[in-house]
Parts: sequence; structure tokens; C-alpha cells
Amino acid sequence: EPEVTQTPSHQVTQMGQEVILRCVPISNHLYFYWYRQILGQKVEFLVSFYNNEISEKSEIFDDQFSVERPDGSNFTLKIRSTKLEDSAMYFCASSPQGTSGNTIYFGEGSWLTVV
Amino acid sequence: TQLLEQSPQFLSIQEGENLTVYCNSSSVFSSLQWYRQEPGEGPVLLVTVVTGGEVKKLKRLTFQFGDARKDSSLHITAAQPGDTGLYLCAGRYAGNNRKLIWGLGTSLAVNP
Repeated sequence: EPEVTQTPSHQVTQMGQEVILRCVPISNHLYFYWYRQILGQKVEFLVSFYNNEISEKSEIFDDQFSVERPDGSNFTLKIRSTKLEDSAMYFCASSPQGTSGNTIYFGEGSWLTVV
Repeated sequence: TQLLEQSPQFLSIQEGENLTVYCNSSSVFSSLQWYRQEPGEGPVLLVTVVTGGEVKKLKRLTFQFGDARKDSSLHITAAQPGDTGLYLCAGRYAGNNRKLIWGLGTSLAVNP
């Protein structure tokens, strides 16, 4: 069964460093998302991406964050100048177009620890 | 503020018992999804409901979407230890908005 894959599964980085989290969405999906979950808290929406541009972003997704689809398969989240409070599980997700797009499929997550 | 509340927050039951968990909001959803999440892993989709009053079954799990599309329930019959996990509901509001609003989840423990 097709699935969303994410790398790395776990990354430890020093405060102030840049991090790139990578995702390969399901191949025929057209909408891509990043969510994050701080330990013990709700899953939070960060950004959605469609047709090579951001379609929606939350207040969390400030200038520190950026997304890119560098080729036909990868979808990346870049976090510049990481802070301690950026430590969280970051989930990539994708959904198809049309009514089937009601369903969003999630990857296993990338656990980011900022020290 | 868009809120989606889940209850109970924690539930510990014996194997073989039935249980129902709830997902409520004051707002109307265009669709609602239930996920199960294990510690350190991503949410795994269980079901999507779209139509008010819709009922979907997945083996021993029964999902219902409220008539007004503001709430949903998950009923598990004859719970098994393998059902242990965090059950999350996530809803999407009408319009072009595709983001999911999440509940905090119900943490279920089924004891053998």
C-alpha cells in the first residue's frame, strides 16, 4: 500500500542550526502538508502546499520555516536558526485531489530534538 | 477559536468490554477523520466520514458522524489488548481550507 515516507526519523541539532526534513508523498497525490506535534500536545497544522505554492499556513509557520518541492517526488521543510521550542515530531502528509482529498495520509514522522 | 474536544481523555478497561469515545465541536465539519497513534509514530488513518449521520464499520470499530456534522463517536466492541493506543479525531471545515483541526485524543488501555 502506498505510504508517505519521511527522513530522517530522528535528528538532534544544536540551537541556531538549520534543519531540512524530507518527505516523499504518495505518488499520485497533489496536496502536501506539514504538521507538528510537541510532546504531550495536539497535532498542529503548519502549512499546506499545492501546485508548487503554499496554499495555507498557520501562525506558527513564520519566516523561520520554508517548504520546497525540489523535484517530482520530494517535499521538504526547512527550519532556519532552530530554537529549543522547535523540538517536536514533524509529520508530512498528502492527499489526492477531489472528494477523495478529504482523506489525508500521514508519514511516520521526523523527531527533531534541538539542544 | 476552532476547538475539537475529545472525551474521555483516558480510558482503562478490561479485555472484552465495550467502549465509546467522543469527539465534539461547536462548528460544522465538511469531513472528519479518526486516527490511531502509537508513541513515537505518525497517526494511522482509520476512517473518514463525510455525510451527516454516516456510520462506518471497521471490524469491531463503529464510527458515527453526527447528523449536524459537529460531532463523532467511535465505539469498540469486545475490546482487545491490541486496541490499546491513542485515538485521535481530526476535522476539516468547509471551503477551500484543507487543514485538519485535531483533538488531543483518547488514550485507551485494554488490560488482558
